[in-house]
Amino acid sequence: EAGVAQSPRYKIIEKRQSVAFWCNPISGHATLYWYQQILGQGPKLLIQFQNNGVVDDSQLPKDRFSAERLKGVDSTLKIQPAKLEDSAVYLCASSPGTSGGAYNEQFFGPGTRLTVL
Amino acid sequence: GENVEQHPSTLSVQEGDSAVIKCTYSDSASNYFPWYKQELGKRPQLIIDIRSNVGEKKDQRIAVTLNKTAKHFSLHITETQPEDSAVYFCAAGYALNFGKGTSLLVTP
Repeated sequence: EAGVAQSPRYKIIEKRQSVAFWCNPISGHATLYWYQQILGQGPKLLIQFQNNGVVDDSQLPKDRFSAERLKGVDSTLKIQPAKLEDSAVYLCASSPGTSGGAYNEQFFGPGTRLTVL
Repeated sequence: GENVEQHPSTLSVQEGDSAVIKCTYSDSASNYFPWYKQELGKRPQLIIDIRSNVGEKKDQRIAVTLNKTAKHFSLHITETQPEDSAVYFCAAGYALNFGKGTSLLVTP
């Protein structure tokens, strides 16, 4: 089965510019996650979608970050405007699980490495 | 929210020795505890997970133990090999909260 796809793989931008990342989860997976992984740290959850609805976005810096998952499949994560501290790898993951306690393995995409200069 | 602490941050062992990484969590409602291996520049890969209805799970050289009362779980790697060298992350909860990672180095 095809894995989680992400693009672009690398992005370099100047601070205050905007950037968008795209994720295509594994077919049929109801839940999609965006994580931020700063060098030397563990992934930090930014937002979790259940189909096309947001389940948890408590750690998403909403003044500059936004995400959507139209039609409950692909998702985009946007940063506008970017800051130096946004330099990180942005990982998308998906799982077949649904809300209500169905805990399932999360499958990670290859990530997008963002460098903000 | 869930808070996951992981120790040690670095671990160096000789090939063939065992390695143990420990994690604690704060939310007693958490009942899913996966372990991920991440090689440099690559995505995290699940190596083993455990749910709260069991206390131990083993898969070849890898085992995980869970103590729900004490709210801690551990990863055990036996007969370590150089290819086990990587960063290992524990996580807890439905929306995974990750530990800070353990950099394991296995020297020949």
